[in-house]
Amino acid sequence: DADVTQTPRNRITKTGKRIMLECSQTKGHDRMYWYRQDPGLGLRLIYYSFDVKDINKGEISDGYSVSRQAQAKFSLSLESAIPNQTALYFCATSDPSGDTQYFGPGTRLTVL
Amino acid sequence: QKEVEQNSGPLSVPEGAIASLNCTYSDRGSQSFFWYRQYSGKSPELIMSIYSNGDKEDGRFTAQLNKASQYVSLLIRDSQPSDSATYLCAVRVGGGSYIPTFGRGTSLIVHP
Repeated sequence: DADVTQTPRNRITKTGKRIMLECSQTKGHDRMYWYRQDPGLGLRLIYYSFDVKDINKGEISDGYSVSRQAQAKFSLSLESAIPNQTALYFCATSDPSGDTQYFGPGTRLTVL
Repeated sequence: QKEVEQNSGPLSVPEGAIASLNCTYSDRGSQSFFWYRQYSGKSPELIMSIYSNGDKEDGRFTAQLNKASQYVSLLIRDSQPSDSATYLCAVRVGGGSYIPTFGRGTSLIVHP
């Protein structure tokens, strides 16, 4: 079984809708991250969490929110989706050194 | 603003040749350097990490680090078509949040 799982894997939604992307991990790591990837722009950090009570904004947090329900679960929400949030979203975990990021399979989100 | 720069490519090399991928970074406080490989439609995976000046070899892969010139490179010897992927450079400064900054990636195509 995969160490980091994401649901859904693909999602098409309309402008203005609220959606949630979910991430679960079995690696036992405290640190979890949400990234988005756009063609030509690489991976950009949206939010990160170092433990259940710790939530931090990344470089592009506007329009997003997160919830850390447990050590193993970290969800990303788009309160009112807009077309420029169309992207590939990755969840990741790491050990405290942050040296290795373990990525989930990604969620391809399309906002019409 | 930490910046990690990569040529987006594509870099096209014939099978059996040496592929050379380069990355420059702006923060002189950077201490840890990583190369991730990402196949089309898949998530990134760590293939090399390097922490001190010089070369680090792992099979057909060699990472090279020059902190004075602020660049890190990845050499792939005896390139194979299966090496065709996007290679992401990531750089982490010492201390702080221990979160790496990713470059935009270089697309490598190895043709038979």
